[in-house]
Amino acid sequence: SAVISQKPSRDICQRGTSLTIQCQVDSQVTMMFWYRQQPGQSLTLIATANQGSEATYESGFVIDKFPISRPNLTFSTLTVSNMSPEDSSIYLCSVEETPNEQFFGPGTRLTVL
Amino acid sequence: AQKVTQAQTEISVVEKEDVTLDCVYETRDTTYYLFWYKQPPSGELVFLIRRNSFDEQNEISGRYSWNFQKSTSSFNFTITASQVVDSAVYFCALTGGSYIPTFGRGTSLIVHP
Repeated sequence: SAVISQKPSRDICQRGTSLTIQCQVDSQVTMMFWYRQQPGQSLTLIATANQGSEATYESGFVIDKFPISRPNLTFSTLTVSNMSPEDSSIYLCSVEETPNEQFFGPGTRLTVL
Repeated sequence: AQKVTQAQTEISVVEKEDVTLDCVYETRDTTYYLFWYKQPPSGELVFLIRRNSFDEQNEISGRYSWNFQKSTSSFNFTITASQVVDSAVYFCALTGGSYIPTFGRGTSLIVHP
């Protein structure tokens, strides 16, 4: 399976600031996904990022708050903008290697004070 | 609409006990996939198994086994002779016509020495 890395692995940020999370894959993949996992909760899909097109956001998530870039087939970034304590979560990227099979990165644990 | 129910929020066992994690799903798709993921305290989501809807054979991998029953829409996961390292949150997930998985709320397994 693909090896997925994320940076940073964790961060503590002040409210009102922004953080950009990077996701790097060791092979070319068409579809990359960003998820949020709030404390004690399950995973919620934020958006799907395909190379060369705008990200597709799920209900409840908007581009102004979570801008996403996908400059090539091995890399993507998610920015959490104008953060508040409610944004404290684990953010995970994933890739679809074979149809209907997603593998996840190690996650970025974000705490907003 | 798809739905995955993990009714057990938390399970606590003593090492060497067997434990079964329940997963019940709902879908209108005739072709679908079921997954189990493990999330240790580090936060990474570890893929354990994928099963498609046409393969009802039970699977065994070391101390792990999975029981897929379409008649009851269940895909249960059993750990035999549990170990402390098995302590984690376990998620059951489902994909159908959409590539986007629906996750259950997770079951937290605590294995005491």
